[in-house]
Amino acid sequence: EIVLTQSPATLSLSPGERATLSCRASQSVSSYLAWYQQKPGQAPRLLIYDASNRATGIPARFSGSGSGTDFTLTISSLEPEDFAVYYCQQRSTGGLTFGGGTKVEIK
Amino acid sequence: EVQLVESGGGLVKPGGSLRLSCAASGFTFSSYSMNWVRQAPGKGLEWVSSISSSSSYIYYADSVKGRFTISRDNAKNSLYLQMNSLRAEDTAVYYCARDSQYYDILTGTPSNWFDPWGQGTLVTVSS
Repeated sequence: EIVLTQSPATLSLSPGERATLSCRASQSVSSYLAWYQQKPGQAPRLLIYDASNRATGIPARFSGSGSGTDFTLTISSLEPEDFAVYYCQQRSTGGLTFGGGTKVEIK
Repeated sequence: EVQLVESGGGLVKPGGSLRLSCAASGFTFSSYSMNWVRQAPGKGLEWVSSISSSSSYIYYADSVKGRFTISRDNAKNSLYLQMNSLRAEDTAVYYCARDSQYYDILTGTPSNWFDPWGQGTLVTVSS
C-alpha cells in the first residue's frame, strides 16, 4: 500500500497570504494524485486531479504541482472560505489511499 | 444537479450488520463507477470500496475485505454497502462518491477520483 504523508499537519496563516501544502508518497505515483478540500460538517470536494488539473469550478488561486513522490498544493492568496482541511489521494497501485490531511487555520 | 443521498446508518452492536444505501440523481448512474469512502470521528479519509458501472469490477480495502459487500442497482439508480461482522473501528461517517467526470471516455476506465460526494451517513458500532 502506498502511504501518503502530508505536511505540515497545521498551517496558520492570514487571509491574503500564500499557502503551500506538501504531500509525499512512499513510492512513485507518477502524476496520479488529487487534492480535496473539506470544511467542518461537509463532505470533501475535489480541487485538483492528475496532480495539476483544476476541477470544474475551482478558482484559479488553487494550483497543484509535482510528480513521482513529491506534490504541492498552492493557494496563491487565501480567501476566508479557504480555511479548511486538505487531503491528497493517490490512484496508482495497491488500492486508493489518502494522506492524513493538512488543516489550514486562521492565524 | 448531481445528488447523492446516503441512508441506513445508525447504532449497531459489535458483530452486527447494517446495509447502507445511496440514492443517485442528476446524472446517468449506469455510466459511472461508484465508491464508498469513510471517515472516523475526527480522523482522515479512508477509501472502502469501488464498483464499476456494470458491476464487473469490484474492489475493497483490506480492512473490510470479506466483511463488506458493495453492490448497485442501475435500474434504481442506487448504490449499496452491506456491512457484516462490524467492529468498533468501523465507526465512521460513510460517504457515497461518484467517479469523477475525468474518466477515460474511450475505454471507460474510471478516473478513481471522487466527485461529487454525498453528505454521508454515520455508522456507530458500540455495545
